[in-house]
Amino acid sequence: EDQVTQSPEALRLQEGESSSLNCSYTVSGLRGLFWYRQDPGKGPEFLFTLYSAGEEKEKERLKATLTKKESFLHITAPKPEDSATYLCAGAHSGNTPLVFGKGTRLSVIA
Amino acid sequence: IAGITQAPTSQILAAGRRMTLRCTQDMRHNAMYWYRQDLGLGLRLIHYSNTAGTTGKGEVPDGYSVSRANTDDFPLTLASAVPSQTSVYFCASSAQGDTGELFFGEGSRLTVL
Repeated sequence: EDQVTQSPEALRLQEGESSSLNCSYTVSGLRGLFWYRQDPGKGPEFLFTLYSAGEEKEKERLKATLTKKESFLHITAPKPEDSATYLCAGAHSGNTPLVFGKGTRLSVIA
Repeated sequence: IAGITQAPTSQILAAGRRMTLRCTQDMRHNAMYWYRQDLGLGLRLIHYSNTAGTTGKGEVPDGYSVSRANTDDFPLTLASAVPSQTSVYFCASSAQGDTGELFFGEGSRLTVL
């Protein structure tokens, strides 16, 4: 059974305090690993796609990386506006829909 | 602005009533999805459609039905609502079924009493 597990469930950071969120997956024949951001009361918003081990993607203070077993979302010098729930999702080959992790709720305190 | 429109945004419903959540997209995306999001359980797939005229079951399909008569619309029907269907429902679409870039609506908050 395909599974995506995220840790920690919640993370509280001071503004400027860098950290990483983890996403481990057991998806056979992974065709991609995807990161989303969700603000309270809103739908998730797509951030990154990673296709192969060693790949990295960056956007502002966020950098996503992928190994053979897990992905990390690194947050460098976060700001309060980075506070959100970050979701990781995976899917195996073909037209199978995404399986989402439960998310990490990030709070950045000024 | 192009995107996904869900209706209603919020609804309180008596148990046993029939309810249809509406979802319309104007991006001409082939694939559409319905997820429910519950505290502690994350996003779970209910039903999906890779193209108009086809549908598939997700992780939690029981008690729900969908139809995909055309590209733009993907309604979700609860034939006889139960309290365990209290949740936030998100509709999403993607250009193709094999892409992971989904575009989500703003959600429909449903409370079944």
